[in-house]
Amino acid sequence: GESVGLHLPTLSVQEGDNSIINCAYSNSASDYFIWYKQESGKGPQFIIDIRSNMDKRQGQRVTVLLNKTVKHLSLQIAATQPGDSAVYFCAELEDDYKLSFGAGTTVTVRA
Amino acid sequence: EAEVAQSPRYKITEKSQAVAFWCDPISGHATLYWYRQILGQGPELLVQFQDESVVDDSQLPKDRFSAERLKGVDSTLKIQPAELGDSAMYLCASSLGLAGSTGELFFGEGSRLTVL
Repeated sequence: GESVGLHLPTLSVQEGDNSIINCAYSNSASDYFIWYKQESGKGPQFIIDIRSNMDKRQGQRVTVLLNKTVKHLSLQIAATQPGDSAVYFCAELEDDYKLSFGAGTTVTVRA
Repeated sequence: EAEVAQSPRYKITEKSQAVAFWCDPISGHATLYWYRQILGQGPELLVQFQDESVVDDSQLPKDRFSAERLKGVDSTLKIQPAELGDSAMYLCASSLGLAGSTGELFFGEGSRLTVL
């Protein structure tokens, strides 16, 4: 089965609030993780990545946190906007060369 | 801005027919991927090329699926014969190098296949 998965399939958030999307992985040897965003009718788009030698990485309005002890990572989106409505996937590097995607969380932003 | 081009965007076919999808990656990208995405699920890797060589095709149903990237640039994914369970979005992606060096894959908009 999949080694990367998300805790919740859906998340509804009020515009302007912060969003937190969670992902659990099972392979303790995994050392590289990536978050992707997929808008309706489009292919996934890279958001941010993190390697296992880091606990936190920040981008524009997004932060990824990695907790290797409990094999968990999260994506935080600050001041969520309507354009953030999408499906978010965490992906894990396997065998040093290929990405394995989880099932995804659908984020809906309420006006 | 450079994009990954895919065609056709939509394809409806009857089972047992042959289907082909085409992908033109971003210029200069050595690595090309074909993923299958069933509605409501994450993308699943079918085949990965480095230049013209197959890096991984362990999840490609080789009895009916084939993929090629003859000149190391564009690629074709073929299904023959198509089955009902093949209905899905077929996504092509490219990257400068293998995913281990960069997890930033650039995806096309996909080819949605419906098998009747």
